Amino acid sequence: AQTVTQSQPEMSVQEAETVTLSCTYDTSENNYYLFWYKQPPSRQMILVIRQEAYKQQNATENRFSVNFQKAAKSFSLKISDSQLGDTAMYFCAFMKQVGNNNDMRFGAGTRLTVKP
Amino acid sequence: NAGVTQTPKFQVLKTGQSMTLQCAQDMNHEYMSWYRQDPGMGLRLIHYSVGAGITDQGEVPNGYNVSRSTTEDFPLRLLSAAPSQTSVYFCASSWRGSPLHFGNGTRLTVT
Repeated sequence: AQTVTQSQPEMSVQEAETVTLSCTYDTSENNYYLFWYKQPPSRQMILVIRQEAYKQQNATENRFSVNFQKAAKSFSLKISDSQLGDTAMYFCAFMKQVGNNNDMRFGAGTRLTVKP
Repeated sequence: NAGVTQTPKFQVLKTGQSMTLQCAQDMNHEYMSWYRQDPGMGLRLIHYSVGAGITDQGEVPNGYNVSRSTTEDFPLRLLSAAPSQTSVYFCASSWRGSPLHFGNGTRLTVT
């Protein structure tokens, strides 16, 4: 079974600064997907960014970007120009897809606090 | 466009009681799943379904049952609630190879 490890239970960053959240995973699969989800205090799970393993180019979404290192099985999230609204739990997730089965597994999460 | 709808949002049960958490999606997704979220453990997969009439176990299936009679609905049943089942439960659905869409969660407390 795939495992996802987020080694930073909590992090903080000053508003407007840049922060990087770490994620590593263990798999023997070659084709898979990686995601970062954000969970604010409202409890809602919000997709931040996705990366297909077959793509070498790192995904970006506005202030959010990833550093995908396939050989090292590493998938970090960089948040630039941090805003107070970025305060949330962030979950890294690994998904292998077999037919209609989207088997997604999550890390334990990193609680990010953006300080004014 | 409702997306994934979970009910109830909150529930308190006594040990030994049974209940069903409801989940419905209106996106015609074949894949649906249930997760539980506990502090320090992320989201763990309970059961999943790849289509109507097909269900299978995830990482932590004990104490839970599911069924999938229609594409839209995927209820989760707690047969005899235990304090260890106190958690936040999420239902999710997706297309093949696409990210999961989540409901807003159910906070369950078992006393």
